[in-house]
Amino acid sequence: SYVLTQPPSVSVPPGKTATITCGGNKIGAKSVHWYQQQPGQAPVVVIQNDSDRPAGIPERFSGSNSGNMASLTISSVEAGDEADYYCQVWDGSSDHVVFGGGTKLTVL
Amino acid sequence: QVQLQESGPGLVKPSQTLSLTCSVSGGSIAFTTYYWSWIRQPAGKGLEWIGRVYASGSTDYNSSLKSRVTISVDTSKNQFSLRLSSVTAADTAVYYCARADYYGLVDVWAQGTTVAVAS
Repeated sequence: SYVLTQPPSVSVPPGKTATITCGGNKIGAKSVHWYQQQPGQAPVVVIQNDSDRPAGIPERFSGSNSGNMASLTISSVEAGDEADYYCQVWDGSSDHVVFGGGTKLTVL
Repeated sequence: QVQLQESGPGLVKPSQTLSLTCSVSGGSIAFTTYYWSWIRQPAGKGLEWIGRVYASGSTDYNSSLKSRVTISVDTSKNQFSLRLSSVTAADTAVYYCARADYYGLVDVWAQGTTVAVAS
C-alpha cells in the first residue's frame, strides 16, 4: 500500500518560514492535499491539488510537489498557525485515500 | 451550504458492531458527483481513511478494515452509514463523516463523534 511520510514535528519562531514535507514514491505524479487541524476541531484544507489555496486561506500558505516529495510552506508564521498538518493523496492503484502521519507545527 | 452530522452510540462493547449515521443537509446526496466518506482519528493519533460510498451505492474501503466495514447510502433519507463489526479497543476514536471528491479531497467535514469501545 502507498505510504506518505511526514516529520512528526516542526518548530519555528514567529515570523519565520515553516516547511512541512510529505514523502511518497513518485508523489509528484499525484495530487496532494494539505489539511490543518486545530485541537478539538475537524481538519480544514489549506492547500489542494498541490498548490491551490481554497478561498479564505491566507497567501502565506503555499504548496509544491515534485519527484518523491511534496511540501507545505507557511511564511511569516503566526501563533495561530500552531496545529497539526496532514498531507493526503489518492492512490489509484489500490483505490485508497491515503493520509500522512501528520506533523505538529509548534510556533516557538 | 452542505452540512453533515453524525449520530450513533458513543459506547460500544467489544466484539459488537459499531453503527453510525451521517445526515446530510443543505444539499442532496443523490444529485452530486461527491463521495461520502468516513474517516477516524484515535486520540492523539493521525487520520485514518475508512472508506467511501457513491450515490449509486458503489464503495471503496481501506483494505486494513475491509473485512469488517460496510458503508451504505440511503438517498431517500439523505443519509449514509458506517458499520464496523467485531470492534476492539483499537477502534476507539473520533469518527468523522465527510464529503470528498474522487481524489479524496474533503471539502466538508462533520464535527466528529467520539466512539469508545469498552465493556
